[in-house]
Amino acid sequence: GAVVSQHPSRVICKSGTSVKIECRSLDFQATTMFWYRQFPKQSLMLMATSNEGSKATYEQGVEKDKFLINHASLTLSTLTVTSAHPEDSSFYICSARDTTTSYEQYFGPGTRLTVT
Amino acid sequence: GENVEQHPSTLSVQEGDSAVIKCTYSDSASNYFPWYKQELGKRPQLIIDIRSNVGEKKDQRIAVTLNKTAKHFSLHITETQPEDSAVYFCAASMYAGNMLTFGGGTRLMVKP
Repeated sequence: GAVVSQHPSRVICKSGTSVKIECRSLDFQATTMFWYRQFPKQSLMLMATSNEGSKATYEQGVEKDKFLINHASLTLSTLTVTSAHPEDSSFYICSARDTTTSYEQYFGPGTRLTVT
Repeated sequence: GENVEQHPSTLSVQEGDSAVIKCTYSDSASNYFPWYKQELGKRPQLIIDIRSNVGEKKDQRIAVTLNKTAKHFSLHITETQPEDSAVYFCAASMYAGNMLTFGGGTRLMVKP
């Protein structure tokens, strides 16, 4: 099946700093990628829909100035957590939609962010 | 927007028994209902899905049923094995590849 990668897999940062997470579709083009957040022992919650070449669409309650999303190419979307705080510590998972073949959605392996 | 409820939150069964997880959704526009298995710290893995034009789908020990009128769908795992132990999530979407609304998850424990 199609492969989606995320980098880094784990990151620890200090409060007030910014962290960038990359989501790449390795063997297909993805005009649309989704960013989800998962707190410990909880479900996945959609944060935003990332569209190549246009602005991301954020879900209600997600601050667009805090969670910056850039989808600059058909294989890469980035999520930047700005001025991170301990409450931003979470598991961030992206998914990418393969629109050229099956319209299936493939998940990345996730990024564990810990803010100290 | 869509709201997906999932029950039970935890389920413990003996190896070889069946497990059933149920979900309800609120948005009648949803037409795609996947089920994911997630192990600790890993990505969700699609195990089966069903579309609204189908009432039931089976893949070996796993089956899913959908009642569109009542807006509920269920996952059935037969002959459970210890390696089935994981967290299972149902989800709903307007179509495959669109944004997903997840249920709260069910932690399944299969005792040997």
